Amino acid sequence: ILNVEQSPQSLHVQEGDSTNFTCSFPSSNFYALHWYRWETAKSPEALFVMTLNGDEKKKGRISATLNTKEGYSYLYIKGSQPEDSATYLCAFLGDDKIIFGKGTRLHILP
Amino acid sequence: DVKVTQSSRYLVKRTGEKVFLECVQDMDHENMFWYRQDPGLGLRLIYFSYDVKMKEKGDIPEGYSVSREKKERFSLILESASTNQTSMYLCASSIGPRGGSYNEQFFGPGTRLTVL
Repeated sequence: ILNVEQSPQSLHVQEGDSTNFTCSFPSSNFYALHWYRWETAKSPEALFVMTLNGDEKKKGRISATLNTKEGYSYLYIKGSQPEDSATYLCAFLGDDKIIFGKGTRLHILP
Repeated sequence: DVKVTQSSRYLVKRTGEKVFLECVQDMDHENMFWYRQDPGLGLRLIYFSYDVKMKEKGDIPEGYSVSREKKERFSLILESASTNQTSMYLCASSIGPRGGSYNEQFFGPGTRLTVL
């Protein structure tokens, strides 16, 4: 059974602090790993599409790394801001498979 | 901007009713997807489609069917709604062709369906 695990499930971070969380996925039949941000009352929005082992991507204060050999990806947020409060989803795309993790719910404390 | 719209934000139906959830995208995307989101679970894929009149089962297709008569529209059908189909339903689309189905997905706002 293919499984995508995200940890932690929930996270409270002080405004201005940096944080990171993990997505673990199957290391076989890998095609891509997606990160999405899902804010309350909005639609999930793509942050990164990662395909190559060793990929590092950055968008403003948010960055992500990918290790396909060991099956994990990290998402980093530098200098958290209130607008970073959201659920962060990762999705493993394999051989005709799309599997989402349960998400990491991030709360930024003022 | 890509826009994915869903016919209703909230829907209340009775057990046994036939329910149609409509999804329309305006960016000429080949690929379209239907998911459901339940508390404590990740987004789970119900059905997807890589082309008009084409459909493939996802992980939880039981109790659902789909229709894709036009490229921009992908409908999810609950033939006989049951209480365990109470959920948030999300539609998404992505650029094709099939080999490019690993491109980012653009999501609709979701339909919260309650089956009484």
